[in-house]
Amino acid sequence: EPEVTQTPSHQVTQMGQEVILRCVPISNHLYFYWYRQILGQKVEFLVSFYNNEISEKSEIFDDQFSVERPDGSNFTLKIRSTKLEDSAMYFCASSNPLRQVSNEKLFFGSGTQLSVL
Amino acid sequence: GIQVEQSPPDLILQEGANSTLRCNFSDSVNNLQWFHQNPWGQLINLFYIPSGTKQNGRLSATTVATERYSLLYISSSQTTDSGVYFCAVQMDSSYKLIFGSGTRLLVRP
Repeated sequence: EPEVTQTPSHQVTQMGQEVILRCVPISNHLYFYWYRQILGQKVEFLVSFYNNEISEKSEIFDDQFSVERPDGSNFTLKIRSTKLEDSAMYFCASSNPLRQVSNEKLFFGSGTQLSVL
Repeated sequence: GIQVEQSPPDLILQEGANSTLRCNFSDSVNNLQWFHQNPWGQLINLFYIPSGTKQNGRLSATTVATERYSLLYISSSQTTDSGVYFCAVQMDSSYKLIFGSGTRLLVRP
């Protein structure tokens, strides 16, 4: 069964450093997402991406965050200058909805655990 | 914004028991999904169920959109069912899924 893959599985960084989290969505999917989960809390939406542009973002997704689809397969999340509160599990997800605005069934990767020291 | 509430927050079962998890939401939605987060943190999509009833093995789900709730049934529970079960909803004209706080399930052998 096709799956969303994320690398690395764990990332440790120093506060103020830039990190790039990488994802390979399911190949025929059109919509891509990043979510995050702070330890013990609910999963929170960060951003959705369709047709090479951001379609929606949350208030968490400020100027420190950016997303990119550099080629036909990868989807990346960059945090420019990490803060302690950015420590969380970051999940990439993808879907292939029939309607323009619908997640339908969302498939998640295994996540990248980001620890900011 | 829309509120998504799940109950119970915690549940302990003996292996073989049945359970019902509930998700209430405060506004109309066009998408509802149930996820299982296993002890390794993986989020597994169980059901896409904006309305109606679906079954997949020992699991089934029912969403009554007009009354703004969904139920997840787990029958003959196994230790591998342990983890956190999340309900997530999406409203019209939005791309984001809004997650509830989850039900943490522990199935004891």
